[in-house]
Amino acid sequence: GQSLEQPSEVTAVEGAIVQINCTYQTSGFYGLSWYQQHDGGAPTFLSYNGLDGLEETGRFSSFLSRSDSYGYLLLQELQMKDSASYFCAVNTGTASKLTFGTGTRLQVTL
Amino acid sequence: DGGITQSPKYLFRKEGQNVTLSCEQNLNHDAMYWYRQDPGQGLRLIYYSQIVNDFQKGDIAEGYSVSREKKESFPLTVTSAQKNPTAFYLCASSVDSGANGYTFGSGTRLTVV
Repeated sequence: GQSLEQPSEVTAVEGAIVQINCTYQTSGFYGLSWYQQHDGGAPTFLSYNGLDGLEETGRFSSFLSRSDSYGYLLLQELQMKDSASYFCAVNTGTASKLTFGTGTRLQVTL
Repeated sequence: DGGITQSPKYLFRKEGQNVTLSCEQNLNHDAMYWYRQDPGQGLRLIYYSQIVNDFQKGDIAEGYSVSREKKESFPLTVTSAQKNPTAFYLCASSVDSGANGYTFGSGTRLTVV
C-alpha cells in the first residue's frame, strides 16, 4: 500500500519561514509533488522533485531525500494569502497517477 | 485560455438516483483523473484514463463509473451503489504527473438529500 504523512496543521506569522514535512512509504517512487488548495477551491501545482535536492520557485522551495523517503516544502516571506492547505503527492510510476497525503492546513497570522 | 471545466458546481442527489458529473478540458492532455475529497481529507483516486476509450479503476472505484469517448471529456457517474456520495469531486488532467503537474477543475460539490 501507499502512505504519506504530513502534519495536520501549522501556524506561522506573516513574514516568517515555515517548513511542511512529508514522509512516504510507497511501492514505487518516481517523484514528489506539492499542491496548494485554498478553502473551497481547486488544488494548484506548486513544485516537483524527481531527484534528490532542493528546487526553488520564487518564495517556495521543495526538497527531496529519496534515501530517507522524505521531502519538505519551504515557504519564505509568508503572506496572508499563503493561508491554505498544502498536499504532498507521490508519483509511483503507474500511469502517472498521484497518491496524495492528507494535507497540512497552514494558517498565517499577523 | 486552456483549462478544465467541471459542471455543475453544486449538485443535489436524492438517495437511489444516479448523477453524472461533467469534466471537459481543452489542454490537449491525454491523461485525465477523478478524485474525491472529503472534509479535512486528502484526495482519493476514483478512476483515471491515459487515452481515449481506455480507463482504469483507482483506489475507491466502487459505486462509480466513467467513460472516455473523446479526448476532451471524462464524465463521472455516481451510481446508487455508492453509499456515501456526499463529497467534493475534482477532475484533473496532465501531460505527465511530474514536472508539469496536474491541472484541476474547480470541482463539483455533491450532496445527498
